[in-house]
Amino acid sequence: KAGVTQTPRYLIKTRGQQVTLSCSPISGHRSVSWYQQTPGQGLQFLFEYFSETQRNKGNFPGRFSGRQFSNSRSEMNVSTLELGDSALYLCASSRTSGTYTGELFFGEGSRLTVL
Amino acid sequence: AQKITQTQPGMFVQEKEAVTLDCTYDTSDQSYGLFWYKQPSSGEMIFLIYQGSYDEQNATEGRYSLNFQKARKSANLVISASQLGDSAMYFCAMRGPNNNDMRFGAGTRLTVKP
Repeated sequence: KAGVTQTPRYLIKTRGQQVTLSCSPISGHRSVSWYQQTPGQGLQFLFEYFSETQRNKGNFPGRFSGRQFSNSRSEMNVSTLELGDSALYLCASSRTSGTYTGELFFGEGSRLTVL
Repeated sequence: AQKITQTQPGMFVQEKEAVTLDCTYDTSDQSYGLFWYKQPSSGEMIFLIYQGSYDEQNATEGRYSLNFQKARKSANLVISASQLGDSAMYFCAMRGPNNNDMRFGAGTRLTVKP
């Protein structure tokens, strides 16, 4: 069974540009969450989508947005990139949402460097 | 609000020995789940073990066990018979009944010495 797939794995952008990251969840999983990981802030929740609806959003500026398609694949977009957006962006999928019992299955992440 | 605290930034253990990674949490929820993840240098977060707040028995998964002390709000991970491949970052995490996100601690970097 294929795991969570994130593309691209590595990318370099310059300040002011925008970036789109993609995530394909495990087959049958309808929930996709995004996390930002930095050395200073650790793992921070960005947002979660379930059945194409955003269920929850973390404390990030509006430059960070996402969406989910009918096949559960998800994309996140960051506009007007800043140096501080350099991070590992992790996508996670799960079969359900809003339950405390289910583990999240993570992809290998997209490492973004902003110059 | 939920909070996860991991007080050990780094730990060393000799190969084949056991090691305990500490995790304490704070929540006002009665129902919650506690998780441990391993993150090797590749970046992927690998699920290790889960403990539900109502589970009376400590969770075990192979060489991993979770020492759950509810009254003390601690959920320590015990790795028995450490292997070189266990060297990685380890994160403690929590989910509540009403939030759709998982809260993570700062992590502990474990190094297994040959």
